[in-house]
Amino acid sequence: RKEVEQDPGPFNVPEGATVAFNCTYSNSASQSFFWYRQDCRKEPKLLMSVYSSGNEDGRFTAQLNRASQYISLLIRDSKLSDSATYLCVVNSGSSNTGKLIFGQGTTLQVKP
Amino acid sequence: DGGITQSPKYLFRKEGQNVTLSCEQNLNHDAMYWYRQDPGQGLRLIYYSQIVNDFQKGDIAEGYSVSREKKESFPLTVTSAQKNPTAFYLCADGVCSYNSPLHFGNGTRLTVT
Repeated sequence: RKEVEQDPGPFNVPEGATVAFNCTYSNSASQSFFWYRQDCRKEPKLLMSVYSSGNEDGRFTAQLNRASQYISLLIRDSKLSDSATYLCVVNSGSSNTGKLIFGQGTTLQVKP
Repeated sequence: DGGITQSPKYLFRKEGQNVTLSCEQNLNHDAMYWYRQDPGQGLRLIYYSQIVNDFQKGDIAEGYSVSREKKESFPLTVTSAQKNPTAFYLCADGVCSYNSPLHFGNGTRLTVT
C-alpha cells in the first residue's frame, strides 16, 4: 500500500460546481498534512495546511479525519483557474525530520 | 517565490555524463530537499539535508550525490549510474519542523539521450 494515496482523476467539472478530493495515508503517526497545487510543468505551491479542526480559506475547505486516516479538500464555486493538479502531502513520521510524502496528485479540469 | 532558485530550467546531456543541478536559497533555512517527478507519479525524495555538512538519503538516492558545504546551496549531481535520469527535478527548502510546509524552486527538466 502506498503511504499516501489519491484518486488521480481527472475530475472534469463545470464552472460553479463543488468538487471534493480525498486522500488516504497509511502512517497513523503522521502529524502534519498539506494540500499543494501544481500547474502544468510548474513547481508545486502550498495551497493550505490541514488542521485537526478543519480549516477554510475562501472557497477551499480542508478536513482531517485521523480515525479513518484521510484528508479532504473541498472546492466550492469552481473557477476555470482552479484547473490544476492537487497534491496531498503528509509528514511521514512523528519526529522533527520535516520529511514529506507526496501523493501522486489529483487532476482537476474546470470547463466553461 | 520563497527565495529558492534552481538553474538551469532545461538541461540536456548525453548518456554516460554526470550532470550537476544547482539549488540556492537566501532564506537562511536549515533544511533543503531534492525531489524527482515522473509522469503519473508523486514527488519522490532523492536526498535531504537538515544542516550544513550533513545530508541523508531519501527513497531513491541511488545514482545521485549531493553536497551541503554552505547553508544556502544544495547541488544535486546526477551520475552516469542513474538508470533513468530523464525527469523533472525539484529543489525545496524549509524549516526543520514537522508542521512546516516546503517551498519549491521552479524546477529543472533534465533530458538525457
